[in-house]
Amino acid sequence: SAVISQKPSRDICQRGTSLTIQCQVDSQVTMMFWYRQQPGQSLTLIATANQGSEATYESGFVIDKFPISRPNLTFSTLTVSNMSPEDSSIYLCSVADRGLQPQHFGDGTRLSIL
Amino acid sequence: GENVEQHPSTLSVQEGDSAVIKCTYSDSASNYFPWYKQELGKRPQLIIDIRSNVGEKKDQRIAVTLNKTAKHFSLHITETQPEDSAVYFCAASIGNQFYFGTGTSLTVIP
Repeated sequence: SAVISQKPSRDICQRGTSLTIQCQVDSQVTMMFWYRQQPGQSLTLIATANQGSEATYESGFVIDKFPISRPNLTFSTLTVSNMSPEDSSIYLCSVADRGLQPQHFGDGTRLSIL
Repeated sequence: GENVEQHPSTLSVQEGDSAVIKCTYSDSASNYFPWYKQELGKRPQLIIDIRSNVGEKKDQRIAVTLNKTAKHFSLHITETQPEDSAVYFCAASIGNQFYFGTGTSLTVIP
């Protein structure tokens, strides 16, 4: 399966600032996704990153708060904007080739907001 | 949208015993069901998956069964080992969307 590199692995940020998380894949993939996982909880889909067009956001997540880029088939970024302590979580990217195929996850970014 | 329920939330077994985790889903359009294992501080990793046209799949000590009529699927781990201790997530997929269960924390007691 694809090798997925996610940066940074962790960060501690100040309230009101923004952080951009990068997800790099070693091969072209059709689908890229961004998830949030709060401590001890399940995975919640934030959005599907679409190559060449705006991301598709899930209910409860908006572009102004979580802008996403996907300039090509191997790279995507997620920005967490105007952070508050409630944004403290693990953010994971995942990739998949197409439907009826598994998603493979990056190592995640552990984000803490003070 | 799809709703996936997972039980139990925690499970403790003696080493060598079997463990069973069950999930139910609500949308009959779901057609792909992966299972992920997540060790503490690590990424979720796919351990087995099953498609809706198959009733059972086995890979060494791990097996998954699917009952489309009842809309439930289960993970079976036999001859459990301490390294099986982790959180397990089921998921149901419609198209490219994955809907995850709430997770089961499995502890295998040596």
